[in-house]
Amino acid sequence: QVQLVQSGAEVKKPGASVKVSCEASGYKFAANYIHWIRQTPGRGLEWMGCIYPHNGATEYSRNFQGRVTMTADRSISTVYMEVTRLTSDDTGVYYCARDPRGLNYFDSWGHGTLVTVSS
Amino acid sequence: DIQMTQSPSSLAASLGDRVTITCQGSQDTGNYLSWYQQKPGKAPKLLIYGATELEPGVPSRFSGSGYVTNFTLIISSLQPEDIATYFCLQYALLPVTFGQGTRVHFK
Repeated sequence: QVQLVQSGAEVKKPGASVKVSCEASGYKFAANYIHWIRQTPGRGLEWMGCIYPHNGATEYSRNFQGRVTMTADRSISTVYMEVTRLTSDDTGVYYCARDPRGLNYFDSWGHGTLVTVSS
Repeated sequence: DIQMTQSPSSLAASLGDRVTITCQGSQDTGNYLSWYQQKPGKAPKLLIYGATELEPGVPSRFSGSGYVTNFTLIISSLQPEDIATYFCLQYALLPVTFGQGTRVHFK
């Protein structure tokens, strides 16, 4: 079955960067977009962007433009999401999720990675 | 961006009750609407896509309806395992956007 396993919780200081990984299994990795969604108390669920592992093409939300980078390593079926210039508003749970049909909805989600930004 | 307004934000019901949650979009999203269930500390789980299509493995007491801007999720007979927060998601246009959630709990 489809499984997305994310890296562990992170604690960062304001101004730092964080990189979260998402390892996929149970399907043909390159064939499906992977999206990143974060959940914060203040803004709820927010779409951050997506990557197509087949060719590395990305699409980012303008709310994160310039601060987020998504990459894929097909050799280990893993997608990465890095956010720079962190502030306390970035504290939340970050999810990767698979897009089953290229339509931008999500049928399988990672377990989530808690990122805490605190001085 | 398309705004998705969910109602109610919280809902108290009894075992076996019919539960209705609505989601209204600020623009036409056709049938590009999905519903998710989230339990505390867990990732959201897909219930419905295409406004009406039940994801395989999801109990048939869940159903979805609607088109254009008005959508509904119905739980026909509330079960203990249905206690959760429910979100709608429009995926007609990027950025995809979520409703703010409906917390379903027992009376």
